[in-house]
Amino acid sequence: EVQLVESGGGLAQPGGSLRLSCAASGFTFSRFAMSWVRQAPGKGLEWVSGISGSGVSTYYADSVKGRFIISRDNSKNTLYLQMNSLRVEDTAVYYCAKDYTGIFYWGQGTLVTVSS
Amino acid sequence: QSVLTQPPSVSGAPGQKITLPCTGSSSNIGAGYDVHWYQQLPGTAPKLLISGNNNRPSGVPDRFSGSKSGTSASLAITGLQPEDEADYYCQSYDTSLRIWVFGGGTKLTVL
Repeated sequence: EVQLVESGGGLAQPGGSLRLSCAASGFTFSRFAMSWVRQAPGKGLEWVSGISGSGVSTYYADSVKGRFIISRDNSKNTLYLQMNSLRVEDTAVYYCAKDYTGIFYWGQGTLVTVSS
Repeated sequence: QSVLTQPPSVSGAPGQKITLPCTGSSSNIGAGYDVHWYQQLPGTAPKLLISGNNNRPSGVPDRFSGSKSGTSASLAITGLQPEDEADYYCQSYDTSLRIWVFGGGTKLTVL
């Protein structure tokens, strides 16, 4: 059974940093691309970042480019999102997802709140 | 403002057929990229409803179907049921942005 479990969310101050993690199980992690998708309170889904199975290729939405870094440790079956220079508008539930698109498997989400 | 445009809200009566549109452009849907559809109930993660324009994952009722033409796509729901009340999102790839994008979402209300 595929499971994706996010952690690392919480409260951060504007300009601060947080690192999200996503522990994956139930599939061969290194063979699949992974993504982070976020949803601000009362708003729609926003695809934030993606990484290839090998970790060589990474992709970012313009809204986070230069501030967020996606990475993965295939030996630990874990996906990461390092979030720097956080802004109030980064407040959202962040979902870990298997694949870039046509996403069948999602994590339960972790809430990130950016506020002073 | 998403590059994939969806109406904010749609409503229908039980048993009715409704169609949810997703309008893109020549840099996404019109470029031939697949469209996927998701259903999201309040407080839950999105659920894949339609993949690759018109394919239903196992367990999705055949009341749901997808289609694509030109720069647009649509999700059709027949025999509308109260439990279909949810938010629906389309997704595709955009060659100008070079990332995968979601539409703004449509809130379906079953009257």
